[in-house]
Amino acid sequence: EPEVTQTPSHQVTQMGQEVILRCVPISNHLYFYWYRQILGQKVEFLVSFYNNEISEKSEIFDDQFSVERPDGSNFTLKIRSTKLEDSAMYFCASSRGLAGADTQYFGPGTRLTVL
Amino acid sequence: AQSVTQLGSHVSVSEGALVLLRCNYSSSVPPYLFWYVQYPNQGLQLLLKYTSAATLVKGINGFEAEFKKSETSFHLTKPSAHMSDAAEYFCAVSEVDGGSQGNLIFGKGTKLSVKP
Repeated sequence: EPEVTQTPSHQVTQMGQEVILRCVPISNHLYFYWYRQILGQKVEFLVSFYNNEISEKSEIFDDQFSVERPDGSNFTLKIRSTKLEDSAMYFCASSRGLAGADTQYFGPGTRLTVL
Repeated sequence: AQSVTQLGSHVSVSEGALVLLRCNYSSSVPPYLFWYVQYPNQGLQLLLKYTSAATLVKGINGFEAEFKKSETSFHLTKPSAHMSDAAEYFCAVSEVDGGSQGNLIFGKGTKLSVKP
């Protein structure tokens, strides 16, 4: 069964450093998402991406964040200058059609630790 | 604005007992509702979803949920708990008609423990 994959599984970085989290969505999916889950808190929507552009973003997704689909398979989340409060589990998701009615499939997550 | 409330951050049941995980939502338009399960060190897996068809939705692993508009609820149940059901369960809502691209709004999650 096709699945969403994410690398790395755990990333440790120093405050102020740039990090790139990578995701490979399911191959025939068109909609891509990033969510994050701070330890002990709820899963929060960050951004959705369709047709090579951001279609929606939350207030969390400020200028420090960016997303890109550099080729036909990868979907990346970049944090330019990490802060301590960026420490969280980051989940990538994808769906074939417009989600809501269509299922979003989630990857296993990348645990980001900012020191 | 959409929101989801899950009552009880931690539920403990005995093996073979009924599982009931509560979820209430608020939405300005007819919602799509979801239950996801997260096993330790794994991603979120869809258990079931409500998309305005039948109000009683059956999912994987023997779980089901009933959409009750009058109560704005979407509680998850399973008649008989199994040890392998121990995990964290998330209820989520999505509003495609509201102009959103269908991003999911999650509840805080309920951790289910199953005692032998």
